[in-house]
Amino acid sequence: LAKTTQPISMDSYEGQEVNITCSHNNIATNDYITWYQQFPSQGPRFIIQGYKTKVTNEVASLFIPADRKSSTLSLPRVSLSDTAVYYCLVGLRNSGNTPLVFGKGTRLSVIA
Amino acid sequence: EPEVTQTPSHQVTQMGQEVILRCVPISNHLYFYWYRQILGQKVEFLVSFYNNEISEKSEIFDDQFSVERPDGSNFTLKIRSTKLEDSAMYFCASSSEGLHYEQYFGPGTRLTVT
Repeated sequence: LAKTTQPISMDSYEGQEVNITCSHNNIATNDYITWYQQFPSQGPRFIIQGYKTKVTNEVASLFIPADRKSSTLSLPRVSLSDTAVYYCLVGLRNSGNTPLVFGKGTRLSVIA
Repeated sequence: EPEVTQTPSHQVTQMGQEVILRCVPISNHLYFYWYRQILGQKVEFLVSFYNNEISEKSEIFDDQFSVERPDGSNFTLKIRSTKLEDSAMYFCASSSEGLHYEQYFGPGTRLTVT
């Protein structure tokens, strides 16, 4: 599994765009990049997944440069309810039932 | 939207007692998992289950732990003789065929061992 590195914490004001970058220098050719969100006392929640370039859904955008050694999760116009821990995971998308390996994630605090 | 459910939400037990944590995965999912998270720490994998057998388990999942899918809907985690260090949030998750990185987690069971 590719090792990932992301900031331990970030602060943002409400209404701002937040970008969380994850480094994964050893990403393999067939690996996908997946982001999860975890609110306090809740289970992680899948946010977005991508392989290259840009992916957008109703929650976030994921930017992946051509070399795929990093990725950026972008949250547009955050609100207080976006305060959570965000995890970047890298691995094969459909390798059977390989477990998810969570790091410490990035703790995002949104301030009013 | 379908969701994973877990019961109970909070379980308090005495050291040495057996506990069973219950989960109802999303109905058309085929892969099932248990994770745990000790307060303030990372989410840790315990076990994965597919086709009525354990596929993979971590070092945490020792002989005190067992999993079962007793019927077509429930997925259970049993801890035979709880220890203080088993106190944690236990999350059940499920995924559909071929999309194991898109796992759906339940709300968790908070286990407190006294």
